[in-house]
Amino acid sequence: DAGITQSPRHKVTETGTPVTLRCHQTENHRYMYWYRQDPGHGLRLIHYSYGVKDTDKGEVSDGYSVSRSKTEDFLLTLESATSSQTSVYFCAISEWAYEQYFGPGTRLTVT
Amino acid sequence: AQTVTQSQPEMSVQEAETVTLSCTYDTSESNYYLFWYKQPPSRQMILVIRQEAYKQQNATENRFSVNFQKAAKSFSLKISDSQLGDTAMYFCAFMIQGAQKLVFGQGTRLTINP
Repeated sequence: DAGITQSPRHKVTETGTPVTLRCHQTENHRYMYWYRQDPGHGLRLIHYSYGVKDTDKGEVSDGYSVSRSKTEDFLLTLESATSSQTSVYFCAISEWAYEQYFGPGTRLTVT
Repeated sequence: AQTVTQSQPEMSVQEAETVTLSCTYDTSESNYYLFWYKQPPSRQMILVIRQEAYKQQNATENRFSVNFQKAAKSFSLKISDSQLGDTAMYFCAFMIQGAQKLVFGQGTRLTINP
């Protein structure tokens, strides 16, 4: 299994609070991704990174920001969490973009 | 925009049977990749099989094989000799070559009954 960890694995937070999710890899892969998974939608790309400090938006980027200051870490921040951001969040990594490996996921509940 | 459609929300078969999951996609691109991912109850996303659009030969991985029909934009997954451990959500996904972005279908929940 690819060395990908996500923290926290579960989080409950209140509307309006900031939240940061962390993805950490030990594979030294170039690309990192954040997806969200919701019933009836499969997984949708939020943001991705193609190198340190190089990021780009995905399909559902509104309300999210990301940062990558080191190859191994990719942070996803919800500046002011809303109930619509209740979801399961997956990080993925790849060296070759056509083969992505996923982390274990983070279940976020915004009350 | 690219879209991926899985028309079967749920399927159920008996152990040892063969089952086929359907997937269609829409794109104007000619160079792309198609994938099937498995998500068991553990929630871990596992790559099952990958198909390059330029390859005419259908990909195969042990009991898993695909039927790739490029003109019809169809990419079905066949699971032979199904096992209880195949019970999972299955997602079809698409990526344009060089685009870095996976587009997923809505998923099919497959249950293998003993």
